[in-house]
Amino acid sequence: AQTVTQSQPEMSVQEAETVTLSCTYDTSESDYYLFWYKQPPSRQMILVIRQEAYKQQNATENRFSVNFQKAAKSFSLKISDSQLGDAAMYFCARETSYGKLTFGQGTILTVHP
Amino acid sequence: DARVTQTPRDKVTEMGQEVTMRCQPILGHNTVFWYRQTMMQGLELLAYFRNRAPLDDSGMPKDRFSAEMPDATLATLKIQPSEPRDSAVYFCASGLVQGAYNEQFFGPGTRLTVL
Repeated sequence: AQTVTQSQPEMSVQEAETVTLSCTYDTSESDYYLFWYKQPPSRQMILVIRQEAYKQQNATENRFSVNFQKAAKSFSLKISDSQLGDAAMYFCARETSYGKLTFGQGTILTVHP
Repeated sequence: DARVTQTPRDKVTEMGQEVTMRCQPILGHNTVFWYRQTMMQGLELLAYFRNRAPLDDSGMPKDRFSAEMPDATLATLKIQPSEPRDSAVYFCASGLVQGAYNEQFFGPGTRLTVL
């Protein structure tokens, strides 16, 4: 099975500091998409950032950026200047055929004031 | 502001009852996905449709689950009969799949509790 692994069940960060969430995945494809989704207590799944595997440049969206290491099949999310509103469950996902998403188990992020 | 809608938002039912969950995808999207989220299994794909045709429902227990898309504005997921192990949050997502890229937009989910 082609899997997505998030090895950190929980992470915590102080407000205004930086935190990195880890994700590794398995694939035999050369071109694919990777995503980070945020799920706050409201349970709404919110797309945070996406990365196209054929692009060398790491994606960035405001305070969110990724470190994409294709050879290592690693896709970590860095949150800079953490805010209380960043507290949520974060899911890493890989797009498989026909747009299906395979998700990791999630990382609960706590932000301390 | 286009968004995926799901009804009901919460559903409590007793074992053996039929449950129907509904989803209205974003207008113009050609693909609809059903996911289930549980503490033990995380998020897993149950079924999905392209242009209303079922493409893959291998994630669904076939004996009790069924998914349909009677028209472009409605997707349904039915469980009959329901069992306590079906308790989960069920998400519908829609997307416009073009070539290799697809961004999925998720609905708010239906939290199902089977007693």
